[in-house]
Amino acid sequence: SAVISQKPSRDICQRGTSLTIQCQVDSQVTMMFWYRQQPGQSLTLIATANQGSEATYESGFVIDKFPISRPNLTFSTLTVSNMSPEDSSIYLCSVRGWGQGYNEQFFGPGTRLTVL
Amino acid sequence: SQQGEEDPQALSIQEGENATMNCSYKTSINNLQWYRQNSGRGLVHLILIRSNEREKHSGRLRVTLDTSKKSSSLLITASRAADTASYFCATDAGETSGSRLTFGEGTQLTVNP
Repeated sequence: SAVISQKPSRDICQRGTSLTIQCQVDSQVTMMFWYRQQPGQSLTLIATANQGSEATYESGFVIDKFPISRPNLTFSTLTVSNMSPEDSSIYLCSVRGWGQGYNEQFFGPGTRLTVL
Repeated sequence: SQQGEEDPQALSIQEGENATMNCSYKTSINNLQWYRQNSGRGLVHLILIRSNEREKHSGRLRVTLDTSKKSSSLLITASRAADTASYFCATDAGETSGSRLTFGEGTQLTVNP
């Protein structure tokens, strides 16, 4: 399985500001994903981060609010823009495995965001 | 929107007992994956079962899949206090759907020492 790290692990931010979350993987991976988990709820996919092209966003999520970068096969960032208290969530990146574990998806430790 | 539903939403058992969690889904799948999440932290991948498989084991975990009923179950045998966590199922409809995972609502398992 991949080793995935995220920075920051947690943050408390003021309304109207932006936060960029980093996701680093120890191997080159084709597919990276960003999920959101609101308090007490399950995970919802925000977007698929594509290397060399724009991210593919799910219904209800837009690039202006959640811009994503994917400069190479081991790194991605998610920015939460113009934050409001409703953005308080855990944000998780995940990657799809390779070889025998191609279908498995592995998750980073998450970034816990609180917006005041 | 979430297509998975899990039951029960919460389960409390004594150490040593078995815990069974169920997951239902609505569309065709390529595979189904189970995850554990401890207290709002990252997800730990437990097991993947493909659509052509009916049962899979990993240590104290046993997963079944019934594609005719669109349901899966996760059995944890001889539970331990350390198994206390939230458990999620997630369905993968395959590459035609972008390999995105659709998560169930989760089961909160509490194992009492």
